[in-house]
Amino acid sequence: QKEVEQNSGPLSVPEGAIASLNCTYSDRGSQSFFWYRQYSGKSPELIMFIYSNGDKEDGRFTAQLNKASQYVSLLIRDSQPSDSATYLCAVKYSWGKLQFGAGTQVVVTP
Amino acid sequence: NAGVTQTPKFQVLKTGQSMTLQCAQDMNHNSMYWYRQDPGMGLRLIYYSASEGTTDKGEVPNGYNVSRLNKREFSLRLESAAPSQTSVYFCASKGGGWEKDTEAFFGQGTRLTVV
Repeated sequence: QKEVEQNSGPLSVPEGAIASLNCTYSDRGSQSFFWYRQYSGKSPELIMFIYSNGDKEDGRFTAQLNKASQYVSLLIRDSQPSDSATYLCAVKYSWGKLQFGAGTQVVVTP
Repeated sequence: NAGVTQTPKFQVLKTGQSMTLQCAQDMNHNSMYWYRQDPGMGLRLIYYSASEGTTDKGEVPNGYNVSRLNKREFSLRLESAAPSQTSVYFCASKGGGWEKDTEAFFGQGTRLTVV
């Protein structure tokens, strides 16, 4: 049973538009949630994390967490071609277990 | 500051051969992880070590063993390689205690092919 689910995409987004990515998780004991970006052939890099219900903004990125519905989302405003990558949702459980979803590929078209 | 260093970067094994993937971090991090990444599967956790002296199974531990040699090093061993273990392997480390919401830093990956 996959514990962290993401739509694989690709999600095609016009340049300048908002990209919306979703992630659901199955374990209510999940503590914190992370969004990573991975360019093709490269290692994942952290975008931001969130652990409280609500929104958290960092530049053009906004993470949203709803623990009751067990989902976390990422919004990318004013999408740029450089945002074309795979976005990985990660969930931290007790004792440091850090589990990732399959990732959503985002393609920003000029 | 090298961060997380994995060796080797590329490896081809024959079925049944054994090998150890090495990972070392110089950031004094407590937690270390081994993941494998296959197309369409994202990062799947093989084993992790929340602190020096502890290791725990992740999602896909079968066919692998790990050793947390010291705080810096966390190795992954394939005792008898199988074609299903063809993948890109990533090591990662995370600072603070396991409960801290800190960034996990990744190595550059090891591309392993088992023929």
